[in-house]
Order: sequence, then structure tokens, then C-alpha cells
Amino acid sequence: DARVTQTPRHKVTEMGQEVTMRCQPILGHNTVFWYRQTMMQGLELLAYFRNRAPLDDSGMPKDRFSAEMPDATLATLKIQPSEPRDSAVYFCASGLGLASETQYFGPGTRLLVL
Amino acid sequence: AQSVTQLDSQVPVFEEAPVELRCNYSSSVSVYLFWYVQYPNQGLQLLLKYLSGSTLVKGINGFEAEFNKSQTSFHLRKPSVHISDTAEYFCAGTTYGGSQGNLIFGKGTKLSVKP
Repeated sequence: DARVTQTPRHKVTEMGQEVTMRCQPILGHNTVFWYRQTMMQGLELLAYFRNRAPLDDSGMPKDRFSAEMPDATLATLKIQPSEPRDSAVYFCASGLGLASETQYFGPGTRLLVL
Repeated sequence: AQSVTQLDSQVPVFEEAPVELRCNYSSSVSVYLFWYVQYPNQGLQLLLKYLSGSTLVKGINGFEAEFNKSQTSFHLRKPSVHISDTAEYFCAGTTYGGSQGNLIFGKGTKLSVKP
């Protein structure tokens, strides 16, 4: 049963610390998405990659957030320095790239910045 | 610009009652439409999707949705809900020829099924 995996599942950190979240997309999927979910804003697309190349990161605060895909089996989302307003659940999803295709979501990383 | 509107943020319903979760989209071009479900502390998973053809789409867990082009709606229905259907439901849409990354999500509807 192929699924998207994310680590860590939970992270508590102090303001100013670096946070790195990792995602392993489903094997064979060529598109990876990063979303942030909060009570106030709902589900927001932060960035997405196609064939490991960043296609759109306009939803991401550029000064502190960065997203990369060092290889086809790993995507990372980094926040440096973290702030309390970054507290949210961060989801990774993967898919086959066509608009008609399903996105498969990971279980999320619940981040709390104190 | 395309948008997806879920008219109800919360829907309480008793077990075994029917339910309808409303979704409207705005677009000047044809669309693909999706319903995703999020159970507590989990990621989203696909319930069903409309791509083309029959306007009545059947999904998992007994849910179905009807695409109505004239009313620009894609409401989700289930004739008899269970406690286990308690979750948040997201409607989403994108356009033909668009990128998978252009999927637009609604704000979500929290379905609460009471015994």
C-alpha cells in the first residue's frame, strides 16, 4: 500500500530555531506539494515541484522558508528562523502531475513554535 | 479567477440521517472537481472526483456528488451517515489543461455526526 510519509510527525521548538520537515513521496510520482493548514487560513499551498524542479513557491514566505528536492525520494521544507506564527500542520502530497489526477497526502507534521 | 466556495463551515447531523455538503465553483472554463476528506489528525484523502461524462459521481464510503454546470455546483451527499463519517470535507477544483499544482481548495466543512 503506497503512501506518502512525513517526518517528524510532531515538532515543538523555540522561536528562532531551525525546523526541517521531510517528505517521501509515493514512488513514481513526479509532483510534490507542500501545504500548510491552520484554523484561521485553512489549507494553503506553499510550494510544489515537478520532476524535482520548483514550479511555484509563491505561497511561501521567502525570507525564512525554503523547499528542496535533493532527489526523487525526498522533499524537504525548512524554516529558519522559526516564529510562533509558523505553528501549523504541514502536509506533503504527491501526484502524477496532471490536473485530473489525485493528490495523495501524507499524515502531516504538527509544528508548534513557542 | 477560479474559486471554490463551501457554503457551510459546520454541519451537525444525527446518525442515519441524510446529509448534503454544498460546494460552488466559479470558472469561465471547464473544470475538474474533487472532494477530499480529512479525518482527525490525518492527511486528506480522495472521496471522489468529476472529470467528465456522467454528472453523478460515486465515491468511497457511500458518498456521491452531482456536477451541475448551470448552477456551478458540486454538492456532496450521503443518504445515511455513520458516526465514523465525522470529519472535515474539502471541495477542490482545477481547470482543463491546468497544472496539478493549480488545485484550489475550499475552506472545508466540518461534518459532525451525533448518535
